[in-house]
Amino acid sequence: GESVGLHLPTLSVQEGDNSIINCAYSNSASDYFIWYKQESGKGPQFIIDIRSNMDKRQGQRVTVLLNKTVKHLSLQIAATQPGDSAVYFCAENMRNQGGKLIFGQGTELSVKP
Amino acid sequence: DGGITQSPKYLFRKEGQNVTLSCEQNLNHDAMYWYRQDPGQGLRLIYYSQIVNDFQKGDIAEGYSVSREKKESFPLTVTSAQKNPTAFYLCASYGGRADGELFFGEGSRLTVL
Repeated sequence: GESVGLHLPTLSVQEGDNSIINCAYSNSASDYFIWYKQESGKGPQFIIDIRSNMDKRQGQRVTVLLNKTVKHLSLQIAATQPGDSAVYFCAENMRNQGGKLIFGQGTELSVKP
Repeated sequence: DGGITQSPKYLFRKEGQNVTLSCEQNLNHDAMYWYRQDPGQGLRLIYYSQIVNDFQKGDIAEGYSVSREKKESFPLTVTSAQKNPTAFYLCASYGGRADGELFFGEGSRLTVL
């Protein structure tokens, strides 16, 4: 059945602290993973991606870690800023599935000044 | 600049009326997607099109219809058969890389009164 009105997991951090957002993915055959950031009332924006042949990838202030053994993905944001406040989604994909991503529920990050 | 444009951003309709949401892209992408987002939940795939004049149902296609007469355009019609149409609708396109990064529009919020 359809679940309506679920509360998003939330993470509240102090400005300047590091944030870690976790995601458990569902399909062991997935081989590509993406983190998206969605600000209120807007479409998701790409943050960083990682392929299954890697366990870590770094971007500007962000790092994604992949643990295939336990099907776990995490997004680390260094020196979190108020502008980082948003909902963060992980998404998984299997090669040759094109843009048919499977999205997680999302985590709401709130940054306190 | 290249991108995806959705319109209208906000739409109010009476119960029983069909509504059509517009999605246009100038990224020269072959594949386009419609996702639905409900509060506190991730994105769910409604319909997708990998090439002009062809489209497939996603996970929650009932009560929706689409067309893909032009590469740039992928309109979504929310019909009166959709039992719970109030939601945030996101259109996306995919550039055909082996990985699955989607480019999203800014969304259309439909409220049925």
